[in-house]
Amino acid sequence: GAVVSQHPSWVICKSGTSVKIECRSLDFQATTMFWYRQFPKQSLMLMATSNEGSKATYEQGVEKDKFLINHASLTLSTLTVTSAHPEDSSFYICSADQRKSYNEQFFGPGTRLTVL
Amino acid sequence: DAKTTQPPSMDCAEGRAANLPCNHSTISGNEYVYWYRQIHSQGPQYIIHGLKNNETNEMASLIITEDRKSSTLILPHATLRDTAVYYCIVRVNNYGQNFVFGPGTRLSVLP
Repeated sequence: GAVVSQHPSWVICKSGTSVKIECRSLDFQATTMFWYRQFPKQSLMLMATSNEGSKATYEQGVEKDKFLINHASLTLSTLTVTSAHPEDSSFYICSADQRKSYNEQFFGPGTRLTVL
Repeated sequence: DAKTTQPPSMDCAEGRAANLPCNHSTISGNEYVYWYRQIHSQGPQYIIHGLKNNETNEMASLIITEDRKSSTLILPHATLRDTAVYYCIVRVNNYGQNFVFGPGTRLSVLP
């Protein structure tokens, strides 16, 4: 089946630095990808919708200047956490629909971000 | 907000069937019922989905009531590896539509 990958799988950074997370659809094209965030013992919360070739759509309460999303190609979306702080520590998950068979949305394995 | 309600947790003995209920009383006619699960520190994994007919695949069966206001996910022979959080989600089946996750049901399969 279709696969979505994320890189890195985990990252530890110092407060104030920026971190980039990649989301790739490995064997299909995705004009739309989604970024979710999951805090410990909580459910996934949608952060933004990433659209290839256009600006991302952010959910209410998500700072677009802090969480930069770039969907430069049909197989790659990136999420950059700028000036990360400890409260940004979370599990970040992306997902994508396979256009020819969008019955099933494919989720990436997630990226664990820890900000010290 | 999520449009489904699920029990927060359930236990199941290994080898027995696990029946996970979900209420979706406000489901619209064009919304499907999806089930995903999330094993600790992994991304959600698709299990099954359906509109109004019962569905079965290699992982599970989905039973949807005739009025579509509730459904049950059945894992016929639960194993320890089925321990996970199970999410029941209603969603229109359109390309580029996100999922809205509720708290799900934490299933613990016990030896």
